[in-house]
Formats: sequence, structure tokens, C-alpha cells
Amino acid sequence: AQSVAQPEDQVNVAEGNPLTVKCTYSVSGNPYLFWYVQYPNRGLQFLLKYITGDNLVKGSYGFEAEFNKSQTSFHLKKPSALVSDSALYFCAVRDNNFNKFYFGSGTKLNVKP
Amino acid sequence: EAQVTQNPRYLITVTGKKLTVTCSQNMNHEYMSWYRQDPGLGLRQIYYSMNVEVTDKGDVPEGYKVSRKEKRNFPLILESPSPNQTSLYFCASSYGGAYNEQFFGPGTRLTVL
Repeated sequence: AQSVAQPEDQVNVAEGNPLTVKCTYSVSGNPYLFWYVQYPNRGLQFLLKYITGDNLVKGSYGFEAEFNKSQTSFHLKKPSALVSDSALYFCAVRDNNFNKFYFGSGTKLNVKP
Repeated sequence: EAQVTQNPRYLITVTGKKLTVTCSQNMNHEYMSWYRQDPGLGLRQIYYSMNVEVTDKGDVPEGYKVSRKEKRNFPLILESPSPNQTSLYFCASSYGGAYNEQFFGPGTRLTVL
């Protein structure tokens, strides 16, 4: 069965420090992976995606993600966190057989000044 | 402005009273989808549509109906709402099928008493 796991409900980091938000997935075939961010009382916004090619994907607002096929992971990273990065982050995977999407449970990122 | 709109944004109703949540996009996207967001569960896909008159079940379709008569509109219908359908609902759309990033609406908070 297709699934996405975000093992951390919450990640706390100090402003200026690097951040990592973890995501692991289970999907048949080649994975199509996405990261989205949700600010309070807003819909989700796209950050980045991995379809094929380079394992390091760069996205919006300085975020990047590393695809690791052997570990079935797609961790979101940023070299230097900002207070304004505080939000809820979702990892998602597309089911290649049925055009369906599976989202993780979300990770709340808290960046403290 | 490119956007996905949903109406209403907030709705309180009673068990069994049929309701429709509308979704419209102005980007000429082929793919449209409905999700519900519940604490600790992330987003779960209810229904999706690859194009006009083509709809299919997501992960949690029970108790919901959809239609896609026009490319821009994808209404979500609850024929007989129940309290367990109290949730935050998001409509989303994407260009060219399910390979690309989705644009999300602002959400509809539904309470079923």
C-alpha cells in the first residue's frame, strides 16, 4: 500500500540554524514526491517536487530536499532557518497507478528567534 | 489572478441535511481533487478528477459525491452529512494531470452537529 510517514509531529530550531523535516514513503514503481507548506488559516502551498533526475531538489524560499531511493526518504532541508519558516509542512507521494495522492500527517516547524 | 476558490468558507449544519461545497479554478487545469484535513491524520484524498466527466475515488470517498461537468468546477456533495464528516476541506487543481504541483483553495471548515 502507498503511504507517507512524517515521524516528527514537531521540529524546533533556532533562527539561523539548519533545519531538517523528515519524510519516508512507500510506493510501487518510481516515486513522485512533493513538499507543501501550510501557514495558519491558509491552504497548502507548493515548495518542491522530485520526479526524476538529480537527487537534490531545490525549491521555493531556499528550501531543498534530498531524495534517497535506498532509504525511501525525501527529507526537507534549509541551511539557515527563518522565524517566518514556522508553519506546518506536508510530504506527499503520488500513486503512479491511480493518479491518487497520499500525504503525511504533517510536521509543525517552530523557528525561534 | 490565478486561483482556486471554495464556497462557503465556513459552514455549520445538522446531520442529514444535504450540502454542496463548490470549487472553481481559473487556470484551465485538467486535474482537480478534494481533500479533508484532520488533526494527526494530515490530508486524505476524497475524490479526484482527471478531466471533464472523469472522476475517481480517493482514499476516503464514503459519504461524498462529486461531479465534473465543466473543466473549471468540481463541487463536493454530502448527501446526508454525519458528525464524522466534520473537518477542514480543501479543493486543489493541477495542470497536465497528476504529475505537477497542486494549487490549493483556502479551505472550507465544515461542522456537522
